[in-house]
Amino acid sequence: DIQMTQSPSTLSASVGDRVTITCRASQNINSWLAWYQQKPGKAPDLLIYKASTLESGVPSRFSGGGSGTEFTLTISSLHPDDFALYYCQQYKTFRYTFGQGTKLEI
Amino acid sequence: EVQLVQSGGGLVKPGESLRLSCTASGLPFNFAWMSWVRQAPGKGLEWVGLIKSKSDGGTADYGAPVKGRFNISRDDSKSSSYLLMDSLRTEDTAMYYCITEVTLPPSVTPRPLWGQGTRVTVSS
Repeated sequence: DIQMTQSPSTLSASVGDRVTITCRASQNINSWLAWYQQKPGKAPDLLIYKASTLESGVPSRFSGGGSGTEFTLTISSLHPDDFALYYCQQYKTFRYTFGQGTKLEI
Repeated sequence: EVQLVQSGGGLVKPGESLRLSCTASGLPFNFAWMSWVRQAPGKGLEWVGLIKSKSDGGTADYGAPVKGRFNISRDDSKSSSYLLMDSLRTEDTAMYYCITEVTLPPSVTPRPLWGQGTRVTVSS
């Protein structure tokens, strides 16, 4: 299975900060990567797919980049609502695998 | 509206069985590969298994922790996939999600589509 390594596991930041989360794949996944935001008790919400395509309705302060094995999720200016858990997911193969998650906290 | 709606779940005792359902609408279900993932309380996301479309063989594949105990099936006439869980263990306690991939206009790129999730609790 493709291993996904996400970093950092915890990120402390303030409203208005620019932050970046990194996800590395153990093998080439081209651009078949998705990013999710998850809040307590809720299902993950899709933010980005195909590494850099913004899901409809997601604010433009979220952006994704990378291809192959290295990917980033950047939030350009943190809003209070952005403090949550973030996961990456590869869907190059149907044996989906996920990063361990990044907790974005104040 | 394109969506996956899940049902089933609940509280069961160790060793018992449970069946989860995932019903699709707004997408060509007979061509869809259906996957299941789970998330134990306070933990990350774990792939459970998948079933291919009948045109791609209709076979299922499973993650190691559930192989031999869980069975994924599909009924294309009902646009539904099912996760039958046997010999449940306390460590199977989790939220279970079904997932497929869809292409939604105006995009031409497939993207994951998730069900809302259903909770399974295994406890004596």
